[in-house]
Amino acid sequence: KNEVEQSPQNLTAQEGEFITINCSYSVGISALHWLQQHPGGGIVSLFMLSSGKKKHGRLIATINIQEKHSSLHITASHPRDSAVYICAVRDTASKLTFGTGTRLQVTL
Amino acid sequence: GAVVSQHPSWVICKSGTSVKIECRSLDFQATTMFWYRQFPKQSLMLMATSNEGSKATYEQGVEKDKFLINHASLTLSTLTVTSAHPEDSSFYICSASGRPLETQYFGPGTRLLVL
Repeated sequence: KNEVEQSPQNLTAQEGEFITINCSYSVGISALHWLQQHPGGGIVSLFMLSSGKKKHGRLIATINIQEKHSSLHITASHPRDSAVYICAVRDTASKLTFGTGTRLQVTL
Repeated sequence: GAVVSQHPSWVICKSGTSVKIECRSLDFQATTMFWYRQFPKQSLMLMATSNEGSKATYEQGVEKDKFLINHASLTLSTLTVTSAHPEDSSFYICSASGRPLETQYFGPGTRLLVL
């Protein structure tokens, strides 16, 4: 079993839909990152969370430390949101462990 | 946000040659840089962690003599793939963080193809 599990692995949505991507982890962490990787490979850091909830534009990230679970929500999805979304957890030694990613395709 | 660049963005080389990849933090001092490798449709895998001015710490299974890492300044780290072979073909990504160690900023990656 991977230390970081994401679901779903693949997701297709229509423009405007509300999207949720889930991440569960099994180890103690100091923080959790949500990353976005575009087809060209470049990675953008969306959020770093250690508790509660953060919002940036149409993106919302939440984390429940007790349940070892985080969600990434995208409101009013758009084709430009199509990418791979990766959850990564940071341990106390600051090492990141990555989930396998969720491939999102938003269609018109 | 902070910017991290990588050079080159892609490289094709013959088997047996060495390839150097540079990772630069453009607008902050990167006390720690991380090197990752990603094979198609797989997660990023940490290869090594380097702190400025000290030797890199390699992950289990990563050959330090094959993947030479140098972090000589607070804005530059290099990864040299020595005597590259086709199985070294991959996407190599660096990330950098500064003081205090919080968000990691990722470079755009370098795609290596060894023929």
